Amino acid sequence: DQQVKQNSPSLSVQEGRISILNCDYTNSMFDYFLWYKKYPAEGPTFLISISSIKDKNEDGRFTVFLNKSAKHLSLHIVPSQPGDSAVYFCAASELNDYKLSFGAGTTVTVRA
Amino acid sequence: GAGVSQTPSNKVTEKGKYVELRCDPISGHTALYWYRQSLGQGPEFLIYFQGTGAADDSGLPNDRFFAVRPEGSVSTLKIQRTERGDSAVYLCASSAGLLGTDTQYFGPGTRLTVL
Repeated sequence: DQQVKQNSPSLSVQEGRISILNCDYTNSMFDYFLWYKKYPAEGPTFLISISSIKDKNEDGRFTVFLNKSAKHLSLHIVPSQPGDSAVYFCAASELNDYKLSFGAGTTVTVRA
Repeated sequence: GAGVSQTPSNKVTEKGKYVELRCDPISGHTALYWYRQSLGQGPEFLIYFQGTGAADDSGLPNDRFFAVRPEGSVSTLKIQRTERGDSAVYLCASSAGLLGTDTQYFGPGTRLTVL
């Protein structure tokens, strides 16, 4: 069963504009949430994370928002740049658990 | 320093054959993970090592899959009697292993194709 869902397989955005990626989860035991970015022929690379005690975490152009009551998180990229074109995976883990559960990914294309 | 490396980068085999996939983690990382990514899906957890021991192998799909990490560094994922459904990218990751929230660093993966 898919505990982490990314319902938008793709997103196209113009350079300089905001990219918003969404993720929903079903497991109420998830305590820690992450976003990974993946370029073709490379492994996923860690982008940003948030723990359940916070509702927002910001790192440069990237901000992750968490709504625990809705079991929803989102990633905002502002401003979007051509180098942001990649597949973005949402992931989550339970408290004190090491394994990650991933969504299916959203392919972001930033148009010049 | 060097990241996680995986060999081979590509492996083509015939149905029923045995394959071994190797992972070399970041030096000093005690935790090592194997994930499998099928086409159009996200990585799916297979097994996690803390040191030499498998701390969680709940993701291994069946007893054809086995992994070892005899010296607490390099790990090998072994698949017996391969099936076409085993075709996927096999990803290895490592982390410091002190906390569950330690960042997992992924290798580039091994693309396995079973004909």
